Amino acid sequence: AQTVTQSQPEMSVQEAETVTLSCTYDTSESDYYLFWYKQPPSRQMILVIRQEAYKQQNATENRFSVNFQKAAKSFSLKISDSQLGDAAMYFCAPSSYSGAGSYQLTFGKGTKLSVIP
Amino acid sequence: GAVVSQHPSWVICKSGTSVKIECRSLDFQATTMFWYRQFPKQSLMLMATSNEGSKATYEQGVEKDKFLINHASLTLSTLTVTSAHPEDSSFYICSARGPQWGRADTQYFGPGTRLTVL
Repeated sequence: AQTVTQSQPEMSVQEAETVTLSCTYDTSESDYYLFWYKQPPSRQMILVIRQEAYKQQNATENRFSVNFQKAAKSFSLKISDSQLGDAAMYFCAPSSYSGAGSYQLTFGKGTKLSVIP
Repeated sequence: GAVVSQHPSWVICKSGTSVKIECRSLDFQATTMFWYRQFPKQSLMLMATSNEGSKATYEQGVEKDKFLINHASLTLSTLTVTSAHPEDSSFYICSARGPQWGRADTQYFGPGTRLTVL
């Protein structure tokens, strides 16, 4: 089974500044995917960014980018130009193949991000 | 695209009754759906994986007779909590494997159902 560690239970950032959320994981698979999801107070899980483990290039989605270090099993999320709407719980979730073309997710415990106006 | 709905969004029931939660993929066919449970201020715990037309696969420690999962069509999976008790009170979230035309390796989540058992 995979283990996922998010070592920062809570973080805060000033509006318009940059913040990095850390995540390390353990897996025995060579081909997998990694995700960051955010969960605002509404509790709707929203996909933030996706990374394919076989790609060396770090994924980027607008203000969100990752630093993926496969050998170190590290997958951090950088949020640039932070906005009030970024305040949420952020979950790191690597996937593992579960058969029939499907992948299971293992979630970290989350990092609660506050954005200070 | 890749929208998942859940119904109801919240439900209150008496101890000993059964409650059914529906999870629908609105604009794509989902061959695989997942059911999670989330306690307050905690992470998501996978309960079971549901494949259309076959029996669900339950995670260790999840009672399959208490949490009945049915995935009878490519757009609908249901979770029935049977003989609910107060300790079953929780936030239940479903997700669906992404569409073939999009990212089949990605899960798209429903908005969740808050269950309170009195």
